[in-house]
Amino acid sequence: QSVLTQPPSVSAAPGQKVTISCSGSSSNIGNNYVSWYQQLPGTAPKLLIYDNNKRPSGIPDRFSGSKSGTSATLGITGLQTGDEADYYCGTWDSSLSGVVFGGGTKLTVL
Amino acid sequence: QLQLQESGPGLVKPSETLSLTCTVSGGSISSSSYYWGWIRQPPGKGLEWIGSIYYSGSTYYNPSLKSRVTISVDTSKNQFSLKLSSVTAADTAVYYCARQSQGYDILTGYQNNWFDPWGQGTLVTVSS
Repeated sequence: QSVLTQPPSVSAAPGQKVTISCSGSSSNIGNNYVSWYQQLPGTAPKLLIYDNNKRPSGIPDRFSGSKSGTSATLGITGLQTGDEADYYCGTWDSSLSGVVFGGGTKLTVL
Repeated sequence: QLQLQESGPGLVKPSETLSLTCTVSGGSISSSSYYWGWIRQPPGKGLEWIGSIYYSGSTYYNPSLKSRVTISVDTSKNQFSLKLSSVTAADTAVYYCARQSQGYDILTGYQNNWFDPWGQGTLVTVSS
């Protein structure tokens, strides 16, 4: 059971927009920054978003992040078949004094 | 361009100790700006943080694994290592090493933390 809760799966058509939620508590998301990772099939995770809404160099602006209270959201616009992957949120948990991840969300581009 | 590469046995017997090494290239492990972390992913499941180390040797571990985990660093070789003792089948996973950015935002009081880049990962199977 993951500390952060994500929907197991989401789907949308090419060109559309999708959002993936990540729910936590005051000890993690509520009082710390959130990061998001994309894991394409058979590959290592790749950083998409850090500090809630910042994109590393090379990440297209189709990917965005936001946070409100104890929840965070990853948004992807202009969906492409190449976006099909598992997406994970992560943050620091002050009560556990460690890093926690969500259980992951599988994105299907129909 | 910073790269990380995991290495170690792909098969470990139950009750024995899993040992992996992460070699960092294209940058120094002694950078004061970063920690270095281990994360694992059981087949078909999500990510689990194992622990992290600073170049000085300062460590912190996942409380659920703390009693079995030791992470060490060898700055002369630009490597850091993971040891996980008394392994069982539940420790079968792909093990990743990654550079970890971590800090405290004085203005907000928030902790920031992210992993980038990651190694390609190595599958470790626990079986007799």
